[in-house]
Amino acid sequence: SQQGEEDPQALSIQEGENATMNCSYKTSINNLQWYRQNSGRGLVHLILIRSNEREKHSGRLRVTLDTSKKSSSLLITASRAADTASYFCAIETSGSRLTFGEGTQLTVNP
Amino acid sequence: DTGVSQDPRHKITKRGQNVTFRCDPISEHNRLYWYRQTLGQGPEFLTYFQNEAQLEKSRLLSDRFSAERPKGSFSTLEIQRTEQGDSAMYLCASRDKQRGHNQPQHFGDGTRLSIL
Repeated sequence: SQQGEEDPQALSIQEGENATMNCSYKTSINNLQWYRQNSGRGLVHLILIRSNEREKHSGRLRVTLDTSKKSSSLLITASRAADTASYFCAIETSGSRLTFGEGTQLTVNP
Repeated sequence: DTGVSQDPRHKITKRGQNVTFRCDPISEHNRLYWYRQTLGQGPEFLTYFQNEAQLEKSRLLSDRFSAERPKGSFSTLEIQRTEQGDSAMYLCASRDKQRGHNQPQHFGDGTRLSIL
């Protein structure tokens, strides 16, 4: 399967702490994307990192990509209660479709 | 940019009935995607369009499923003779391929289908 796999499946932290989520995949990719989903809602795009990039930042988010290990990580710094959501990585290969992992459920306790 | 709009947000129907969902993508986005998401799982790709042409269909898209994008703008997804296993969130996304490769997909809030 080309599917991305997130680790951990669930993460519970206190407000102000950092949260790190990992994603592994099995095939060559064009890019890897991270999305957030609040309960009952659609997915919100967070960051896209291309296969030739190693690190990318956006506000409190930092994404790394290691194509030799076929893995990526998402770091959320100084977490807030509003960051509570499911986080998904998705890989885009030569086709146009996205292949998602099963997600990490992040709970940030106030 | 008003975002991707999906209608209805919720649909409850009896097994065996037909249902149709609508998706209005971000205007001028030439690619439109359908995904299905079951509880606790990530979205799974169903099909996508470039303008009005349906370019790829997943094996998940059985012959009971049909999708159209007749004028290259909005799209419909129809499920005929619904089954219990069709209960899921159906998500639509659009993307501006004309801006080049490596563009994100923008998702609607989905249609949640419940089969009684």
